[in-house]
Amino acid sequence: GESVGLHLPTLSVQEGDNSIINCAYSNSASDYFIWYKQESGKGPQFIIDIRSNMDKRQGQRVTVLLNKTVKHLSLQIAATQPGDSAVYFCAETPNAGGTSYGKLTFGQGTILTVHP
Amino acid sequence: GAVVSQHPSRVICKSGTSVKIECRSLDFQATTMFWYRQFPKQSLMLMATSNEGSKATYEQGVEKDKFLINHASLTLSTLTVTSAHPEDSSFYICSARRQPNTEAFFGQGTRLTVV
Repeated sequence: GESVGLHLPTLSVQEGDNSIINCAYSNSASDYFIWYKQESGKGPQFIIDIRSNMDKRQGQRVTVLLNKTVKHLSLQIAATQPGDSAVYFCAETPNAGGTSYGKLTFGQGTILTVHP
Repeated sequence: GAVVSQHPSRVICKSGTSVKIECRSLDFQATTMFWYRQFPKQSLMLMATSNEGSKATYEQGVEKDKFLINHASLTLSTLTVTSAHPEDSSFYICSARRQPNTEAFFGQGTRLTVV
């Protein structure tokens, strides 16, 4: 079936570096994409989202890039801090304005470790 | 932001018993709630969609008679794992949304251990 996947399961960076986490998706009908951060033993925490009619969206220290041609999504974290250490998931849902909104398909996840 | 609370956060039960997990939207009414399961070092997998006042919709491969979902009010959905077995040990997470075109908010999860 359709799935959302990640290229890199782990990423280690030094404090202050920029981090890039990648995600590939296979459902060409995907309409809305979200990045979540999950700390150990907790539920996912919303980071940033992007709709399929956009290529880039920026938040505070984070940027999401969407390349629909190759079905690729990335999360960039600027000046990564030890508190950013967590598992990061991309998720997608089709038909963002419809009844399936919130019914998410999650990617594999990337473990980000930030060293002081 | 909207707050979704799960209870309990951790539960240990004996094999063969049933355990109920609650998901509450604390500051909004949730027409739809979603239940996910997450095994260690794996991603979240959607189990079912819970709509207030109607039967839940289960994803393929999820046993509806084993994972009973009740969404009796606009602020509460419950997941009951019946006749639990050690392989049911997992992290169960719910999310809730106000309306079809709004974002869903996640609870903090429930760690179920079946011994």
